[in-house]
Order: sequence, then C-alpha cells, then structure tokens
Amino acid sequence: GNSVTQMEGPVTLSEEAFLTINCTYTATGYPSLFWYVQYPGEGLQLLLKATKADDKGSNKGFEATYRKETTSFHLEKGSVQVSDSAVYFCALSPSGGYQKVTFGTGTKLQVIP
Amino acid sequence: DGGITQSPKYLFRKEGQNVTLSCEQNLNHDAMYWYRQDPGQGLRLIYYSQIVNDFQKGDIAEGYSVSREKKESFPLTVTSAQKNPTAFYLCASRPESGALDTQYFGPGTRLTVL
Repeated sequence: GNSVTQMEGPVTLSEEAFLTINCTYTATGYPSLFWYVQYPGEGLQLLLKATKADDKGSNKGFEATYRKETTSFHLEKGSVQVSDSAVYFCALSPSGGYQKVTFGTGTKLQVIP
Repeated sequence: DGGITQSPKYLFRKEGQNVTLSCEQNLNHDAMYWYRQDPGQGLRLIYYSQIVNDFQKGDIAEGYSVSREKKESFPLTVTSAQKNPTAFYLCASRPESGALDTQYFGPGTRLTVL
C-alpha cells in the first residue's frame, strides 16, 4: 500500500536558520504530493503541492521538489521565523480514480528567537 | 467567505453517550472526509463521502457513523461503541475526489470523554 515517512521531531532551530524536513513516499504510479501545516489547536492548511515529477511547489518561502527517482518531497526554507513554529505534514494523493490521501505522522518545528 | 466550519470547538461527553460533531462547507465541494488525530500518529481516515447520499468507511470506522443528506453537511456521530473516543477530529472537503485536488480542512473539534 501507499505510505509516507517523515523525519521525526521535534525539530528545534534558531531564528534565521535553514530548515529541511525530510519526506519520502511509497506509491505506485504518479501521485500528487502535498505539504500541510498545522498551527496549535487548528486544522491543517495547505502549504504547497506538486503534481508531477520535477515540479517544485513553493509558498511563503517554503519549497519542495517532487523527486521521482528518490521518491522524496523534502520541505526546505532558507530562513525560518518564530511564526513558522507548527507541525508539518507530508501527504500523497494517488493517481487514477479515488483513493484515500495518505499522511505522514507530522514533524513539529519549534523556532526560538 | 467560503470555508469549512466545525462545531463545537471543544466537546465533553460522559462515557456511554453518543455525540454528534458538525461539519459544514460552503465551497460547493463534492467530497468530504472525517479524520481523527492523536498525538504522534498523524491523521487517520474515519469515513469519506464522494457524493450526496453515499459514503464509505475509512481505516478506523468502528464506533462511528455518518450521514450525507446534503452536499454541504457531513456530520459525524461518535457512538458509545467507540472504545477510546478522546481525540481531535478534523473534517475536510475536496472539489472532487481526484488526485490533483487539495483537501481543505476545518478548524477541528476536540472531544474529551470524562
């Protein structure tokens, strides 16, 4: 079946540090890949997505590239802020008709001033 | 403004009682979903519905029930048969059920069983 593996947290960084959160997936065909962010006590919000190999999703300084050869979709940001503190979820949506979205377990990011 | 609303935000119930969580969307989305979130476990799918009057079980449907009588509404009932119902419940919707569509999430309901 499909699966998403994220690096375990929590990840603690100082403000303006470089961020990488690793995400790898297992799926057949060509799934769409997503990063969602969840702030404390809230629902998930879409951060960025990519729908085919070599696509780069970007939003609010965050980027992730769909790498088919390494089945990865790592999240990066060049300079994190305290306001980026949240839980980040990697997810995949399989191609070819309806199949359920598979989420990773989430990575908590804490940015300290 | 279009979006998904869930009510209430916090819900307390006594053991053995059924409780219904509300989910409403005005995005005109066809597909709707219920997830359960527990610490360190990510999101687990309870039920989903692709069209009105149709729904399917997800990975952890036991002890839960749903209905989809209207396109905009997808209430979830947590029954007394659910052994460990204390959790954060998230409702989501999607324009269609295809792979390219983003899921949009509500703010969640935190259910605590006393």
